[in-house]
Amino acid sequence: DTAVSQTPKYLVTQMGNDKSIKCEQNLGHDTMYWYKQDSKKFLKIMFSYNNKELIINETVPNRFSPKSPDKAHLNLHINSLELGDSAVYFCASSRHTGGGSPLHFGNGTRLTVT
Amino acid sequence: QKEVEQNSGPLSVPEGAIASLNCTYSDRVSQSFFWYRQYSGKSPELIMSIYSNGDKEDGRFTAQLNKASQYVSLLIRDSQPSDSATYLCAPGGLPSGGYNKLIFGAGTRLAVHP
Repeated sequence: DTAVSQTPKYLVTQMGNDKSIKCEQNLGHDTMYWYKQDSKKFLKIMFSYNNKELIINETVPNRFSPKSPDKAHLNLHINSLELGDSAVYFCASSRHTGGGSPLHFGNGTRLTVT
Repeated sequence: QKEVEQNSGPLSVPEGAIASLNCTYSDRVSQSFFWYRQYSGKSPELIMSIYSNGDKEDGRFTAQLNKASQYVSLLIRDSQPSDSATYLCAPGGLPSGGYNKLIFGAGTRLAVHP
């Protein structure tokens, strides 16, 4: 069984469109994250939810809106897509928010905006 | 100063040699440290966690931590071509409103040649 699964794996779309990425974890973890990895391979945190509550919101354009219907799911909706949004988006989960809790990553969604 | 600094490489070592990967971090509160391996086109996977000063060994991997110097390293003994990947350093427990936020280094690309 896949521990952290996200869909779709690839997403190709045009500028101005709206798209969503879905993520689910079956590890029983309390905390979920969205990370963005750009073309320089730099992995940067965007959001984190703990038990459906938003706890980390980095400096991300408000075109990005995360939603967590329950602690096993975290989705990311992106409005008015721009060329600069092209990247790989990783969902991740951790047991809790404490400093000793490593992340488990999904396989990533490669978003290409044309 | 960047929060987490790693030499981007590539670090090229012959098969069977020891690969030494280094990481420095700027915060003084992190209590946990993680090393992730990321193959090209894949998601990061956790390979080592270390929480106390000193060495921690797991198979061919040894993590070394020096909190006073804000330095963590990863040694890979008997390097194999399959170890060729990007290695990401991530101090845990960086404060973000009291919640854990893993900040990743840019990664060191390791190339093990036969």
